[in-house]
Amino acid sequence: DAGVIQSPRHEVTEMGQEVTLRCKPISGHNSLFWYRQTMMRGLELLIYFNNNVPIDDSGMPEDRFSAKMPNASFSTLKIQPSEPRDSAVYFCASRTTGTLTNTIYFGEGSWLTVV
Amino acid sequence: GEDVEQSLFLSVREGDSSVINCTYTDSSSTYLYWYKQEPGAGLQLLTYIFSNMDMKQDQRLTVLLNKKDKHLSLRIADTQTGDSAIYFCAESSNNAGNMLTFGGGTRLMVKP
Repeated sequence: DAGVIQSPRHEVTEMGQEVTLRCKPISGHNSLFWYRQTMMRGLELLIYFNNNVPIDDSGMPEDRFSAKMPNASFSTLKIQPSEPRDSAVYFCASRTTGTLTNTIYFGEGSWLTVV
Repeated sequence: GEDVEQSLFLSVREGDSSVINCTYTDSSSTYLYWYKQEPGAGLQLLTYIFSNMDMKQDQRLTVLLNKKDKHLSLRIADTQTGDSAIYFCAESSNNAGNMLTFGGGTRLMVKP
């Protein structure tokens, strides 16, 4: 059974460039989360979707960040323009709402370096 | 908002037991979780415990929950070098829309 799939796994880009991170949640899951992990701030929730609808984007750091979920099997997180301080690991996670345990399942992450 | 706290670092010798501790503030937590993050990988669910339980054991892992003190611990028996990773405590509650609140993670280093 495939888990959460993220791409790219690693990206190095120059400051000012647009970065697009992609995520395919586990089939049948209806909630999707984007997290960012840094040494300084730990794991931060950026935004989450229920049934493809953004519910809470209060964690999105700035207008340079945007996320979309056009259908149940695909989501993107876009940074435009990128800055060095955006360098981090970006995780996508998914779950089924209404389950007893509320467990969420993480992808392997997209490791972003902005130089 | 709700808070989950963990110590940053733990070092043990191979074969010893490891105990990773976590405290949380949400008195209405329903489930508490332990996730493991190996280098270069995502967070992997290790185990979880329902808030009306005191203990849960799964092979080398023992989870203890003191709901009165809002304290959760993860004990790893016979710790191996492959257990070296970052361990995250998390909790969910109905008050927070069943969202998970994560601690900052405890880095476990196992010395041979």
